[in-house]
Amino acid sequence: GQQVMQIPQYQHVQEGEDFTTYCNSSTTLSNIQWYKQRPGGHPVFLIQLVKSGEVKKQKRLTFQFGEAKKNSSLHITATQTTDVGTYFCAGSGFQKLVFGTGTRLLVSP
Amino acid sequence: KAGVTQTPRYLIKTRGQQVTLSCSPISGHRSVSWYQQTPGQGLQFLFEYFSETQRNKGNFPGRFSGRQFSNSRSEMNVSTLELGDSALYLCASSRWTSGGGNTGELFFGEGSRLTVL
Repeated sequence: GQQVMQIPQYQHVQEGEDFTTYCNSSTTLSNIQWYKQRPGGHPVFLIQLVKSGEVKKQKRLTFQFGEAKKNSSLHITATQTTDVGTYFCAGSGFQKLVFGTGTRLLVSP
Repeated sequence: KAGVTQTPRYLIKTRGQQVTLSCSPISGHRSVSWYQQTPGQGLQFLFEYFSETQRNKGNFPGRFSGRQFSNSRSEMNVSTLELGDSALYLCASSRWTSGGGNTGELFFGEGSRLTVL
C-alpha cells in the first residue's frame, strides 16, 4: 500500500539554527499537505502543495514539492523555541490521505 | 465558527470493555476521518466517512467500527478493548472526501485520550 516516510524522526537544534524535514512517498501524489502538532496538542494545517516543483513560503518556513510529486520538504530558517513540535506531511493519492511518520523538532534556547 | 468537538476528552476503561467516542465536525463539513495516535506509531488512519458512508478504511481489526449521522456527526466504537488500544484518538473534518483526491485542509479536534487498564 501507499507509504509516506519522513526523515529524520527527531532533531534537536539550538535556537537560530536551520531545520529541514523530508517526506518521501512510495507512489506519485496528487498533492501534499503539512501539519504541525505542538506537544500535547492536535495537528494543525500549515499548507498544501499541488503543482510539480512548487515552492511556497510562510515567513521562516519554506515548503517544496518535488518534480516527480513523490517527495516534499519543509525547511525552517533560524528556528525559534515556538517551532517546537512534530511536523507531519500528508500525501493524497489513490483516494487516500496518508500521513507521514512525523519529525519531532526540539529547539533549545 | 466552532471547531471540531470530540467527547469525551479523557477516559479510562478496562480490558474487554467497549468504548464509544464522538466527533462533531465543523458546520458544513461532510467528511469525518478518524486517526489513532500512539507515541511510536504516529498517525494511523482508521476510517473516513462522507455523507453517512464509509469511504475508506485503514488496517485495523473489526473491533474498530464507526458511523456517521445525517448531521455529519460521527462516532467510533472499539469493542473488546485491549491494552494496546490505549492511544489518543483524533477526529478530523473537511469539506471534501479523500476519495476525490483532494480533501482540502483537515481540521482536527483535541482528541479523546483512551487508557485501557
